[in-house]
Amino acid sequence: DTEVTQTPKHLVMGMTNKKSLKCEQHMGHRAMYWYKQKAKKPPELMFVYSYEKLSINESVPSRFSPECPNSSLLNLHLHALQPEDSALYLCASSQGGGDQPQHFGDGTRLSIL
Amino acid sequence: SQQGEEDPQALSIQEGENATMNCSYKTSINNLQWYRQNSGRGLVHLILIRSNEREKHSGRLRVTLDTSKKSSSLLITASRAADTASYFCATDPQGAQKLVFGQGTRLTINP
Repeated sequence: DTEVTQTPKHLVMGMTNKKSLKCEQHMGHRAMYWYKQKAKKPPELMFVYSYEKLSINESVPSRFSPECPNSSLLNLHLHALQPEDSALYLCASSQGGGDQPQHFGDGTRLSIL
Repeated sequence: SQQGEEDPQALSIQEGENATMNCSYKTSINNLQWYRQNSGRGLVHLILIRSNEREKHSGRLRVTLDTSKKSSSLLITASRAADTASYFCATDPQGAQKLVFGQGTRLTINP
């Protein structure tokens, strides 16, 4: 069992749909992250939240919209996605800073039709 | 862009043998971390080595860091079938406040 919980585990959506990915952690971590991972590739950072504020946006297209409602929750809102956005979306949390280990959820497998 | 390059890209060995994976990076770092990812799962943190450390051990894992060569190695001793996974190094480029992952090594342990 992982300490970072992501829902749903799988999501299939059309290009005109709006959906949201959810991530929750109860470790008191102050930093939360969204990554995108394609098959046989490393995770690519999308967004970083520190103390519930967006601190890093890696030039992600606006069809991905992150939200941090509180220190335990992180959402990723999806709208008008493209087939190339199909991937595993991973959430992680840490105490913050690059010198802390990150704890990952098991991800949401997203397929865009 | 990815900072780390790992080799080999894939490694297949017999159970009980040792497995060595290498990671090279481009810019100065504060620390380097290694993660494991089983198929269809998230990443699991294995070990962190700081830039002023040369070697670190954790159970069957041994990590070395050579900042002059900008490289690190992960040694898994007495491998087990359960070690089958992808292994990624990750660096925090100085001032970046984020991790940058290497391309990964896919390790297969044959029973």
